[in-house]
Amino acid sequence: DQQVKQNSPSLSVQEGRISILNCDYTNSMFDYFLWYKKYPAEGPTFLISISSIKDKNEDGRFTVFLNKSAKHLSLHIVPSQPGDSAVYFCAASAIGTASKLTFGTGTRLQVTL
Amino acid sequence: ETGVTQTPRHLVMGMTNKKSLKCEQHLGHNAMYWYKQSAKKPLELMFVYNFKEQTENNSVPSRFSPECPNSSHLFLHLHTLQPEDSALYLCASSQDTSYGYTFGSGTRLTVV
Repeated sequence: DQQVKQNSPSLSVQEGRISILNCDYTNSMFDYFLWYKKYPAEGPTFLISISSIKDKNEDGRFTVFLNKSAKHLSLHIVPSQPGDSAVYFCAASAIGTASKLTFGTGTRLQVTL
Repeated sequence: ETGVTQTPRHLVMGMTNKKSLKCEQHLGHNAMYWYKQSAKKPLELMFVYNFKEQTENNSVPSRFSPECPNSSHLFLHLHTLQPEDSALYLCASSQDTSYGYTFGSGTRLTVV
């Protein structure tokens, strides 16, 4: 049973527009959420995170929103750039288990010109 | 060299072979991890080492045997694997067992 779900395997967005990547989770013990970005032939790289005590965290063009009641988080990229084309993984960690990240299956974002 | 380095990048092995994957980190981190990524599946945590001690074994079959001789090096010894073990194996490190993982580029393993 997948505890972190990314239901959209792929997303295509025009350059300059907003990209919205979604992630749902089922484990109510999750209290820390992260987004990783992965280019082909490279390992995932950390992008942005959010603690469950917040509902929004912003870093430049990237904003993560957390809706705890809906067990849903989303990553917004504004404006989208061709270099943002990659696979984005949502990950979550439960209270007291910082060493154990649970990942989603990833969403492949394609930013077109 | 900086970051987390994994070798080899690609490996093809038969089911009766014995091989090892190597991971080296130059970040001064004290925690290291092995993750497995199979096609269309989430990354799965396999092992966690903190200060060279194994702190997590996520029900991994014994045909996968980790070794952590020091905080900078992590190995995954493989023997009598099955074709379904074919996957991308990712190593990561962090300072303490915290959230700030740095991943290596992975080893693409194919078992034939």
